[in-house]
Amino acid sequence: AQSVSQHNHHVILSEAASLELGCNYSYGGTVNLFWYVQYPGQHLQLLLKYFSGDPLVKGIKGFEAEFIKSKFSFNLRKPSVQWSDTAEYFCAVIPPVGNQGGKLIFGQGTELSVKP
Amino acid sequence: NAGVTQTPKFQVLKTGQSMTLQCAQDMNHEYMSWYRQDPGMGLRLIHYSVGAGITDQGEVPNGYNVSRSTTEDFPLRLLSAAPSQTSVYFCASRQTTGAASGELFFGEGSRLTVL
Repeated sequence: AQSVSQHNHHVILSEAASLELGCNYSYGGTVNLFWYVQYPGQHLQLLLKYFSGDPLVKGIKGFEAEFIKSKFSFNLRKPSVQWSDTAEYFCAVIPPVGNQGGKLIFGQGTELSVKP
Repeated sequence: NAGVTQTPKFQVLKTGQSMTLQCAQDMNHEYMSWYRQDPGMGLRLIHYSVGAGITDQGEVPNGYNVSRSTTEDFPLRLLSAAPSQTSVYFCASRQTTGAASGELFFGEGSRLTVL
């Protein structure tokens, strides 16, 4: 089945460490890509999104993501994490129009724990 | 701005009971959707709507009904609650055109427990 996969279920880092969270999708054609963050007890908030253009996308709070079309990937990165980045991170895809078009499909989520 | 408003925030049901989760948005978004969030499974799409009078199934529609009589409202009905429907439910909406399209705006969530 076509899907969105996040390979890391739980990541534990110390403050100032670099972060990279993987996201792969299996849809062909043009997709729209997103990363959302969910802080404990809160609803999801948008970190960044990619529709077209420069494949390196910068978002809020120092996060960035790189779209690699040949690898069907949209990995999230941050050079130096802070304790306040502790949260769950979700990759999401709007599949191509005509192929479940319009729906936003989420990955399973990656829980990030940052040790002070 | 109210954004997306969900009610109730918490609900406990007995198996077999029915209930409706309410969702309203004041951003004139065409697209509205319902997700359930379960540990280790991310958010799974239950139903969605691309405009008033139009609804469609998502990944896990069984046991749920929706309707979209107005642009603002998108209620989710549980017809006969089962323990497997214990979850946190999120309503979300978005624009479908323009630079801001795609970004989902979420409600605060509704925690449902079915005994």
